[in-house]
Amino acid sequence: QLVLTQSPSASASLGASVKLTCTLSSGHSTYSIAWHQQQPEKGPRYLMKLNIDGAHSKGDGIPDRFSGSSSGAERYLTISSLQSDDEAVYYCQTWGTASVVFGGGTKLTVL
Amino acid sequence: QVQLVQSRAEVRKPGASVKVSCEASGYTFTGYYMHWVRQAPGQGLEWMGWINPSGGGSKPAQKFQGRVTMTRDTSINTAYMELSGLTSDDTAVYYCARAESPAVIFLFGWWGQGTLVTVSS
Repeated sequence: QLVLTQSPSASASLGASVKLTCTLSSGHSTYSIAWHQQQPEKGPRYLMKLNIDGAHSKGDGIPDRFSGSSSGAERYLTISSLQSDDEAVYYCQTWGTASVVFGGGTKLTVL
Repeated sequence: QVQLVQSRAEVRKPGASVKVSCEASGYTFTGYYMHWVRQAPGQGLEWMGWINPSGGGSKPAQKFQGRVTMTRDTSINTAYMELSGLTSDDTAVYYCARAESPAVIFLFGWWGQGTLVTVSS
């Protein structure tokens, strides 16, 4: 079964970097994923698509501070030079032949 | 630029139906699949299904089969999602989300602002 696993929470200081992880279930380690950001009281926003080789393509207007990488079944989102409005829930998303799956989301707190 | 503008919040009684609209602009409406995603209060995102605006074909997620109907009106570049047999568990914000490209139909590149549906007696 296709499942995405994310840690429920993460925190980092203003100006620092943070790396969020999304883990694909066994047998699905080659899947591409997408990262989405949801700021408080707002709808989700597409950040990027991330492939198994770490190649990623970002959505319109997404700053260079956001980058993606991969290792095996893990997909990462790195945010550098953290700003206060990076405080949000970050969801990973993937898809099978006829279905879409979301991770549970990681709530990022900027200290 | 791409914009997806959804209809206003709705309140329904248990057992009723609700129809949410999503008006698209800034691109060729028939060129990209549209999806529906919902988010219950304090919860994560849940995919509901897709519609191909070009031919009108659609497929709900297994959980929603028999209860959700997705349609579109190409003359006004609008997609619709109708959910029937509402219960309090259907109280959520409903989002439309456009495929990022014609080739990668299950990758969501653009989101609507969301429509709150409240089910209460």
